[in-house]
Amino acid sequence: GNSVTQMEGPVTLSEEAFLTINCTYTATGYPSLFWYVQYPGEGLQLLLKATKADDKGSNKGFEATYRKETTSFHLEKGSVQVSDSAVYFCALSDRGAQKLVFGQGTRLTINP
Amino acid sequence: DTAVSQTPKYLVTQMGNDKSIKCEQNLGHDTMYWYKQDSKKFLKIMFSYNNKELIINETVPNRFSPKSPDKAHLNLHINSLELGDSAVYFCASSQVVLAGGSSSYNEQFFGPGTRLTVL
Repeated sequence: GNSVTQMEGPVTLSEEAFLTINCTYTATGYPSLFWYVQYPGEGLQLLLKATKADDKGSNKGFEATYRKETTSFHLEKGSVQVSDSAVYFCALSDRGAQKLVFGQGTRLTINP
Repeated sequence: DTAVSQTPKYLVTQMGNDKSIKCEQNLGHDTMYWYKQDSKKFLKIMFSYNNKELIINETVPNRFSPKSPDKAHLNLHINSLELGDSAVYFCASSQVVLAGGSSSYNEQFFGPGTRLTVL
């Protein structure tokens, strides 16, 4: 079946550091890929998405590129802020399946 | 405000009780979902309804019964609550977004969650 694997957390960085959170997936066909963010005490918000190979999703300084050859969708940000502290989820959606399969989440803490 | 809303936000109850969580979306979406997030933050889909019809039921105990009175509402009723049911339950709704060419994706919008604690 389809699955998503994220790097183990928690991840702790200093403000303005470079961030990478790794995500790899297993899926049949060509899924759409997503990063969701969950701030403390809140629901999930869509951060960025990519619907086909080589697409780059970007939002709020975060980027991720859909790499079919390595089945990866790593999240990056060049300079993190304290306000980026949250749990980040990588997810995929099968075409037609209408459900999201999530990775286990990565807790990110940014220290001032 | 346009959103996915859930009530209650917190629910504390005793083992063996029956409880319901309500969800409403005013985004005009046809598809709604229930997800369960465990204590380790792992998220898993439980149910999905499209236009009031059940389309996904992921090996959830039959103590859990979703009900969709109309396409804007998807409620979750849980019978005979157990300690292991303690979790955060998220409702979501979705629409299919055309991304250009023949590409499309399913964008899901989540509610704020209901934290259920079974004592």
